[in-house]
Amino acid sequence: EPEVTQTPSHQVTQMGQEVILRCVPISNHLYFYWYRQILGQKVEFLVSFYNNEISEKSEIFDDQFSVERPDGSNFTLKIRSTKLEDSAMYFCASSDLGPKAFFGQGTRLTVV
Amino acid sequence: AQSVTQLGSHVSVSEGALVLLRCNYSSSVPPYLFWYVQYPNQGLQLLLKYTTGATLVKGINGFEAEFKKSETSFHLTKPSAHMSDAAEYFCAVSHNAGNMLTFGGGTRLMVKP
Repeated sequence: EPEVTQTPSHQVTQMGQEVILRCVPISNHLYFYWYRQILGQKVEFLVSFYNNEISEKSEIFDDQFSVERPDGSNFTLKIRSTKLEDSAMYFCASSDLGPKAFFGQGTRLTVV
Repeated sequence: AQSVTQLGSHVSVSEGALVLLRCNYSSSVPPYLFWYVQYPNQGLQLLLKYTTGATLVKGINGFEAEFKKSETSFHLTKPSAHMSDAAEYFCAVSHNAGNMLTFGGGTRLMVKP
């Protein structure tokens, strides 16, 4: 079965540094998403991306965050200047025209 | 606006017992409803979904859920728990394809031998 692939699985970064989380969505999917899950809390929506632009974003997704689909296969989340509170599991997801979203295994980001 | 409430952050059952995980939602439009499972150190796997049609939906691993509009509920059940069912379960709602998912707080299911 096709799957969403995220790299790296775990990233440790110093506060104030920029990080890029990478995702390869399922190839024929049209919608791409980032979610995050702070340890012990619920999964929260960050942003959705369709037709090469952001279609929705949450209040969490402020100017420190950006997304990009630099080529036909990758979908990236950049955090410009990381804060301690950005430590979380970040999930990428993709979907086609149907409502079913496929999630990646996640990237655990630890900001120290 | 949409929201999801999962009653009980932790549920413990004995192996072989009925599993019932509760989910209530609020949505201003007909919802799409989902249950996802998260095993330790893994991502989110779709168990089942309701979009339209039959209100009782069957998913993987013997789970099923029933959409009850009058109760705004989408509870997840399994007749007989297995040790391998121990995981965190998330209920989620969206409005349509391509729309964001709003997740509940999750319920950690523990299965005792």
